[in-house]
Amino acid sequence: QKEVEQNSGPLSVPEGAIASLNCTYSDRGSQSFFWYRQYSGKSPELIMSIYSNGDKEDGRFTAQLNKASQYVSLLIRDSQPSDSATYLCAVNRGALINNQGGKLIFGQGTELSVKP
Amino acid sequence: GAGVSQSPSNKVTEKGKDVELRCDPISGHTALYWYRQSLGQGLEFLIYFQGNSAPDKSGLPSDRFSAERTGGSVSTLTIQRTQQEDSAVYLCASSLPPPTGELFFGEGSRLTVL
Repeated sequence: QKEVEQNSGPLSVPEGAIASLNCTYSDRGSQSFFWYRQYSGKSPELIMSIYSNGDKEDGRFTAQLNKASQYVSLLIRDSQPSDSATYLCAVNRGALINNQGGKLIFGQGTELSVKP
Repeated sequence: GAGVSQSPSNKVTEKGKDVELRCDPISGHTALYWYRQSLGQGLEFLIYFQGNSAPDKSGLPSDRFSAERTGGSVSTLTIQRTQQEDSAVYLCASSLPPPTGELFFGEGSRLTVL
């Protein structure tokens, strides 16, 4: 079992629709969860972080975390063609206290295509 | 510098040669990470530095791979006796203290082993 799993896609949605991206992780002790966006030929960039159960909204993006189910998701409302990219889920296995932080493990990424 | 700087941006080498990849993190970032990304794949963790020490080297694929960091700043990833399967983009990232997972990535070094 991979430590962080995502459907590779591609996920295709029409412009204006909601895109739903999902991620599961295996380490129940994981503390922090992140979504990165990677455009083709570019490096990843952070778009959302979430640390506690529930929803976190930032503009058109909503991250959802369910630690009991070991599940993280990213919703993109009013999807735009410019949202077309690969979305990487990342999980930090280390604690964030006492200045200790562990390695960040990435999933394989889900390719999103938003059609005009 | 303004961002994470990596060099070289592209490196073509012959099988069996050694290569060095350099990363200059954002000033003040104490954590530094190396990842590898093969074509169409996700990010494979290689090694993580906190200051000059490497708490986690578990991702290094073999003893041909090594990395060091000096002065809490620049890091070098060395691959000895390169093999064709080493061909990939090597990404470096740094983060603010304490490591928060909010990584800032460089543009990567694309390595091609012929």
